[in-house]
Amino acid sequence: TAGITQAPTSQILAAGRSMTLRCTQDMRHNAMYWYRQDLGLGLRLIHYSNTAGTTGKGEVPDGYSVSRANTDDFPLTLASAVPSQTSVYFCASSAEGDNEQFFGPGTRLTVL
Amino acid sequence: AQSVAQPEDQVNVAEGNPLTVKCTYSVSGNPYLFWYVQYPNRGLQFLLKYITGDNLVKGSYGFEAEFNKSQTSFHLKKPSALVSDSALYFCAGRRGFKTIFGAGTRLFVKA
Repeated sequence: TAGITQAPTSQILAAGRSMTLRCTQDMRHNAMYWYRQDLGLGLRLIHYSNTAGTTGKGEVPDGYSVSRANTDDFPLTLASAVPSQTSVYFCASSAEGDNEQFFGPGTRLTVL
Repeated sequence: AQSVAQPEDQVNVAEGNPLTVKCTYSVSGNPYLFWYVQYPNRGLQFLLKYITGDNLVKGSYGFEAEFNKSQTSFHLKKPSALVSDSALYFCAGRRGFKTIFGAGTRLFVKA
């Protein structure tokens, strides 16, 4: 199985443009998450979804939105990108809330 | 506020020596604690977790961690380090659907 896939692998985006980062898992996990990884700050939770049809805000949700139309997909949208959103973005999933998370390979986003 | 701290940015150890990567937590109630490893240009990989029960948890690649409630610590250990263990290690604590990650500790194992 592929586990979790993310697309694109990397992207350079002009400030003010919108973009959707894609995330798909084939493990039928109920819970999914989006994190950003910045040097010295570790991973910070942006949004999460504990089951299809529901989403919640994490630690740093401003400027980002998510949707969970089905179990497999959890896209992250930047409506109007700003340079501070330059980061590496990781999608993850887990079978239940207290289980370990499985991470995708990441998307490196640069906003200029 | 809930938090997870990794007090060392970097740990250096010689191959064959024991290694310890430190983690302390401030998570309310009974925390679920995790260790993950990240190799360059890769996502995080799960190493081990503590939910309840035995305070010594064994995980992948010969790693283990000891939960110490009185010291609120969950240090990662390995009896004999390998060069291939060189990577970035993250401690994490979980309550509900939100996981809090430490800032990470880079481990260098020298041959």
